[in-house]
Amino acid sequence: GDSVTQMEGPVTLSEEAFLTINCTYTATGYPSLFWYVQYPGEGLQLLLKATKADDKGSNKGFEATYRKETTSFHLEKGSVQVSDSAVYFCALSQNTGFQKLVFGTGTRLLVSP
Amino acid sequence: EPEVTQTPSHQVTQMGQEVILRCVPISNHLYFYWYRQILGQKVEFLVSFYNNEISEKSEIFDDQFSVERPDGSNFTLKIRSTKLEDSAMYFCASSVDPRSSYEQYFGPGTRLTVT
Repeated sequence: GDSVTQMEGPVTLSEEAFLTINCTYTATGYPSLFWYVQYPGEGLQLLLKATKADDKGSNKGFEATYRKETTSFHLEKGSVQVSDSAVYFCALSQNTGFQKLVFGTGTRLLVSP
Repeated sequence: EPEVTQTPSHQVTQMGQEVILRCVPISNHLYFYWYRQILGQKVEFLVSFYNNEISEKSEIFDDQFSVERPDGSNFTLKIRSTKLEDSAMYFCASSVDPRSSYEQYFGPGTRLTVT
């Protein structure tokens, strides 16, 4: 079945450092890909998404490009802030039915001043 | 901004007891979901619900689990006889219409601890 693999955390960075969180997937067809973020004490929030190959999702300075050839959707940000400290989840859904999400394990990001 | 709420935030129960986890989805949403995350593992889909019936369920969602929308606002997950392995964070989500690529909005989760 479909699956998502993302790098283990925690990822610890200093403020203004460059961020990459790797995500690869296994799926049939052409799923949609997502990054969700969970801040402490809050629910999962959609950060960005891409629905077809070579699409780039972006939001709040974060970007990820849907790479069909490498089955990847790596999350990047050029300059992280302390407020970006959270858990980041990569996920996919097939574009059929009610589009259940298939998640990775989540990667905790800790940004220090 | 509208949000999905879940109660309680933490539930401790003894093995074999019944628990009901409650969720209030966003008011104009029609599609509802439960997911769970066992500590250190992936967030897993449990069930989706639309028009007062289950639309899809995973292998995890066996006869011990049930869902209900009892009053048009709440959406509940019941575990009939809890096991130690049911200890997890349970997330509720809702969507206007996923088939039109509307995103799923998640609640903050209920941490269930079975002792």
